[in-house]
Amino acid sequence: GAGVSQSPSNKVTEKGKDVELRCDPISGHTALYWYRQSLGQGLEFLIYFQGNSAPDKSGLPSDRFSAERTGGSVSTLTIQRTQQEDSAVYLCASNTPPSGTQYFGPGTRLLVL
Amino acid sequence: KQEVTQIPAALSVPEGENLVLNCSFTDSAIYNLQWFRQDPGKGLTSLLLIQSSQREQTSGRLNASLDKSSGRSTLYIAASQPGDSATYLCAVKESGGSNYKLTFGKGTLLTVNP
Repeated sequence: GAGVSQSPSNKVTEKGKDVELRCDPISGHTALYWYRQSLGQGLEFLIYFQGNSAPDKSGLPSDRFSAERTGGSVSTLTIQRTQQEDSAVYLCASNTPPSGTQYFGPGTRLLVL
Repeated sequence: KQEVTQIPAALSVPEGENLVLNCSFTDSAIYNLQWFRQDPGKGLTSLLLIQSSQREQTSGRLNASLDKSSGRSTLYIAASQPGDSATYLCAVKESGGSNYKLTFGKGTLLTVNP
């Protein structure tokens, strides 16, 4: 079956612009995660959605970052007024707890000039 | 706060060698530990998952061990091949209320030379 997909695969934007990153999880998976991988850094947890529960937003680095998950499926990560330090690979993953394995998408490479 | 460290940061070996990648974590109260592989421009592929009650897991040429009390895990790759070249990431899942978050190390970049 289809895995986790993300779009766009690459995004170049100017400082101060807003960007939207999309994640399509594996069909039927109830949990969805966003991570950020900056150059030379490990993957950093951003946000977690599980079913209809309130999301865990504790990893979002600033109020410029927000995420939605519509209809329990597709998720959009929005970064407002982008800064150069936002440049990173943004990875999405999904699973159905209590499954231990999270299935990752290929990521969106964001470059803020 | 859980911290995960991977040593070495990079490793280059000739084809056919056996090798060990190391992972350490600061908080032993984990739910499980997972090893991933990341190829350039690709997402993460799960290799092995060890539950907190287990000591090791094996898949083909890969063997992962877990010593929870000392906060250590190793990934052993036997008879390495050029196709094993990738970044290997170790991640731990917390126990307790937030047992969905993964905390990752920075990875080990492995190059297997033909």
